[in-house]
Amino acid sequence: NAGVMQNPRHLVRRRGQEARLRCSPMKGHSHVYWYRQLPEEGLKFMVYLQKENIIDESGMPKERFSAEFPKEGPSILRIQQVVRGDSAAYFCASSSRGLNTGELFFGEGSRLTVL
Amino acid sequence: GQQVMQIPQYQHVQEGEDFTTYCNSSTTLSNIQWYKQRPGGHPVFLIQLVKSGEVKKQKRLTFQFGEAKKNSSLHITATQTTDVGTYFCAGRIHEGNYQLIWGAGTKLIIKP
Repeated sequence: NAGVMQNPRHLVRRRGQEARLRCSPMKGHSHVYWYRQLPEEGLKFMVYLQKENIIDESGMPKERFSAEFPKEGPSILRIQQVVRGDSAAYFCASSSRGLNTGELFFGEGSRLTVL
Repeated sequence: GQQVMQIPQYQHVQEGEDFTTYCNSSTTLSNIQWYKQRPGGHPVFLIQLVKSGEVKKQKRLTFQFGEAKKNSSLHITATQTTDVGTYFCAGRIHEGNYQLIWGAGTKLIIKP
């Protein structure tokens, strides 16, 4: 049973370009969470999605950031017009019980570097 | 807003010494989870505590949840090099709430 799959593992972009990060949850999981982590810091919640629905995007910047989780295919975190401050590790996690007390299963992360 | 404070930020120990990290919440928690993140890795779930005063053990790791369900601790006995990493606590404020409030993590460093 494959775990949470994220790609790309590493992404380098120049300022102003777009970054697309993909996340396939564990089989059978329909709840996806995105987190951002700066070096030597904790995890910052960004967005929580279920299939075709954004449940909570309160942690995501209003501008340049968007997320989706279509009926078919992976969840996508999209960052438009990237700036240096977007450089971070972006982790996706999934769970089987979104509104209950389930544990989170994390992917290995996508590390974005903005030049 | 709701916060979970985690201390210390770093702890340097000699191999074989004990390690403890503490989490304190500004509000009562429904439950608390602990995760470990190895250097360069991703967070991995360790355990969940639900009951007031609960104590759980995993080999050399002991997890406690306070009586008031506002604080928690992780204690590692006789640390080994494989214990190196950052330990995070994450609390749920309400039953059924998907939001986890994360501590900032405690980094365990083994002195050479």
